[in-house]
Amino acid sequence: GDSVTQMEGPVTLSEEAFLTINCTYTATGYPSLFWYVQYPGEGLQLLLKATKADDKGSNKGFEATYRKETTSFHLEKGSVQVSDSAVYFCALGYSSASKIIFGSGTRLSIRP
Amino acid sequence: DTAVSQTPKYLVTQMGNDKSIKCEQNLGHDTMYWYKQDSKKFLKIMFSYNNKELIINETVPNRFSPKSPDKAHLNLHINSLELGDSAVYFCASSQEGDRDHQNSYNEQFFGPGTRLTVL
Repeated sequence: GDSVTQMEGPVTLSEEAFLTINCTYTATGYPSLFWYVQYPGEGLQLLLKATKADDKGSNKGFEATYRKETTSFHLEKGSVQVSDSAVYFCALGYSSASKIIFGSGTRLSIRP
Repeated sequence: DTAVSQTPKYLVTQMGNDKSIKCEQNLGHDTMYWYKQDSKKFLKIMFSYNNKELIINETVPNRFSPKSPDKAHLNLHINSLELGDSAVYFCASSQEGDRDHQNSYNEQFFGPGTRLTVL
């Protein structure tokens, strides 16, 4: 079956550091891939997405590229800010199933 | 204007009680969902409704019963609450993707969550 595996947290970085959160997936078809972010006390919100191989999603300085050959969708940001502290979820979904499968989430904490 | 709203935000109750959580979306979406998030932040889908029709029903105890009076509302009723039901419950909605295009998928919009504590 389909699944998403992402690196365990928590990840703690200093402000302006480079961020990578690894995500790999197992899929029976050709899913779309997502990163969702959950700020403290809030619901999840879509950060970025990619719908096919080699697509790059980007938003708020974050980027992730859909790599079919390595079944990966790693999240990167060149210079993190304290306001990026949140839990990040990698996910995959199919339109035919109306369902998203989420990874276990990675908590990111940024020190000033 | 809140896109997906849930009430209540916090719910503290005793074991064995019956409670409901309400969800409403004003986005005109035709699909709504309930998720459970445990203390380790693991997020698991429970139910999905499309135009008031149940389309996803994961392995959830039958003490949990979703009800969709119209496509803008999806309420969650829980009977005989247990300690293990303590979690944050999120409602979400989306517009169904184009099933003829397998890469077409629309964003899910989440509510702020309801923190349920069973004592």
